[in-house]
Amino acid sequence: GDSVTQMEGPVTLSEEAFLTINCTYTATGYPSLFWYVQYPGEGLQLLLKATKADDKGSNKGFEATYRKETTSFHLEKGSVQVSDSAVYFCALSDLGGAQKLVFGQGTRLTINP
Amino acid sequence: GAVVSQHPSRVICKSGTSVKIECRSLDFQATTMFWYRQFPKKSLMLMATSNEGSKATYEQGVEKDKFLINHASLTLSTLTVTSAHPEDSSFYICSAASETGKYFGPGTRLTVL
Repeated sequence: GDSVTQMEGPVTLSEEAFLTINCTYTATGYPSLFWYVQYPGEGLQLLLKATKADDKGSNKGFEATYRKETTSFHLEKGSVQVSDSAVYFCALSDLGGAQKLVFGQGTRLTINP
Repeated sequence: GAVVSQHPSRVICKSGTSVKIECRSLDFQATTMFWYRQFPKKSLMLMATSNEGSKATYEQGVEKDKFLINHASLTLSTLTVTSAHPEDSSFYICSAASETGKYFGPGTRLTVL
């Protein structure tokens, strides 16, 4: 079945550092790919998404490119802030997000000032 | 933006009792709601998909008689953990789907003593 594997955390960085959180997937079809973020005490929020190969999703300085050849969707940010501290989940859906999502295990990110 | 609430946020119960968790879409109607379970340091595992007015569709391995799901209105779905045991202790998260996407509740921490 479909699966998502993401970089195991926790990840701790200093403010303004470069961030990469790796995510690879296995799917039988042509999935849509997502990054969700969960801030402390809040529900998961959609951070960005990409629906087809070579698409780049971006939001709040974060970017991820849908790489079909490497089945990857790595999350990057050039300069992280303390407010980016959260848990990040990579996910896929075979039907554009309208149906069920398959999640990675989550990566806890802590940014120190 | 769309808001999903869960109640209670945290519950502790004795083994053998039943616990009901509510999931509400506060400012939109959700024809489909999803229930997930999250184990420590693990990904969110989809338990079931519920559509308003019909029976829930359970994922393989999820006991439908133990995890009762009711989706009686377009803004409310409930998950009842029946005859709870310590192994049911977990973090339960609901998600509600609207035309604009999928929105998550903040989760309910269940501890069974």
